Amino acid sequence: GAVVSQHPSWVICKSGTSVKIECRSLDFQATTMFWYRQFPKQSLMLMATSNEGSKATYEQGVEKDKFLINHASLTLSTLTVTSAHPEDSSFYICSAPGSLGNQPQHFGDGTRLSIL
Amino acid sequence: GENVEQHPSTLSVQEGDSAVIKCTYSDSASNYFPWYKQELGKRPQLIIDIRSNVGEKKDQRIAVTLNKTAKHFSLHITETQPEDSAVYFCAANHNEKLTFGTGTRLTIIP
Repeated sequence: GAVVSQHPSWVICKSGTSVKIECRSLDFQATTMFWYRQFPKQSLMLMATSNEGSKATYEQGVEKDKFLINHASLTLSTLTVTSAHPEDSSFYICSAPGSLGNQPQHFGDGTRLSIL
Repeated sequence: GENVEQHPSTLSVQEGDSAVIKCTYSDSASNYFPWYKQELGKRPQLIIDIRSNVGEKKDQRIAVTLNKTAKHFSLHITETQPEDSAVYFCAANHNEKLTFGTGTRLTIIP
């Protein structure tokens, strides 16, 4: 079945560092990918929609200059958390719609980001 | 935008009994409703889904019902087992975007 690979799985870094997270669709092409953030004991919140070859669409309240998204190919989207601070510590998960561009979505394994 | 409410937030059930989790949504244009099981530190796993043209779907011990008129959908787990303990999320989809419910922590008591 469709697989989405997300790396790294865990990052610990100092405040002020920029962190890049990769999301790859392994056996299908994804013109659209989604980035979610999940704080402890909370639900998944959509941050942005990544669109191959064009600008990402950000949800209300998400700073586009803080969370840089690049979708340069049909199989790779990256999320860069710039100048990360402790309040950015969270679980970040990407997903991609199925090969037919329809549901269900296929989720990556997530990235646990801890900013010291 | 879409708003999904989920109840209860916590649910404890004796092993072997049934568990029911309910969700409501606000956007009548939503047309796909998945349910996910999430274990600590892991990605959500799809356990069952239903599309808006269907009222009910069953897969072994798991079933989902959808009432489009009332904008309600529910997850039913029968003959619960300890491995069913996890956090469950409902979601509603519109234009490929998923809006998640707030989650239900299900605990199965042996």
